[in-house]
Amino acid sequence: SQQGEEDPQALSIQEGENATMNCSYKTSINNLQWYRQNSGRGLVHLILIRSNEREKHSGRLRVTLDTSKKSSSLLITASRAADTASYFCATAPMDSSYKLIFGSGTRLLVRP
Amino acid sequence: DGGITQSPKYLFRKEGQNVTLSCEQNLNHDAMYWYRQDPGQGLRLIYYSQIVNDFQKGDIAEGYSVSREKKESFPLTVTSAQKNPTAFYLCASTPGVGGSGANVLTFGAGSRLTVL
Repeated sequence: SQQGEEDPQALSIQEGENATMNCSYKTSINNLQWYRQNSGRGLVHLILIRSNEREKHSGRLRVTLDTSKKSSSLLITASRAADTASYFCATAPMDSSYKLIFGSGTRLLVRP
Repeated sequence: DGGITQSPKYLFRKEGQNVTLSCEQNLNHDAMYWYRQDPGQGLRLIYYSQIVNDFQKGDIAEGYSVSREKKESFPLTVTSAQKNPTAFYLCASTPGVGGSGANVLTFGAGSRLTVL
């Protein structure tokens, strides 16, 4: 299947700084979602953005979507050590929106 | 609290043995999924089920089997035909077809399978 690609693969920042992760995908989508995974645990849903939306906010999270470029970004503002985790984008293809396709993830380390 | 329970959390298997991973949900979700995650990788879909007594192959179904006899349960069997079964297995569910958030996944805590 066609997977999204995320960059960077790994990101190390100081507490208080902003973290930006990018996701590119290949197919037309119904929506795009971001998930977080702490080491050795299951994934937790963070935010969903529909294909007709360009930007969405949730607390310290800001997600943008550019369907013409088939790309999305996740911004975490004022990062905390507790934000250390892997972050995955997942796309819901237009023709099978129940079958999410996951990217390979960005590993974020927030240094205290 | 509603959620997904996976068991066992850790499992060791000898080559040639079949093992079954349990997944139970009390969220009243219609759809359930099994994903495989390898170190440093994203998730790959093994099988999914949108309704009881029905399931479809995902992208990497070879060497795996599932059943969906009850809405709450979606066990995964890793058979001896799976050539490289050592991985982290994640079960998930979604509310089902239609509506906002219908395809937002809720995950279990995962089962780590190691073949000795």
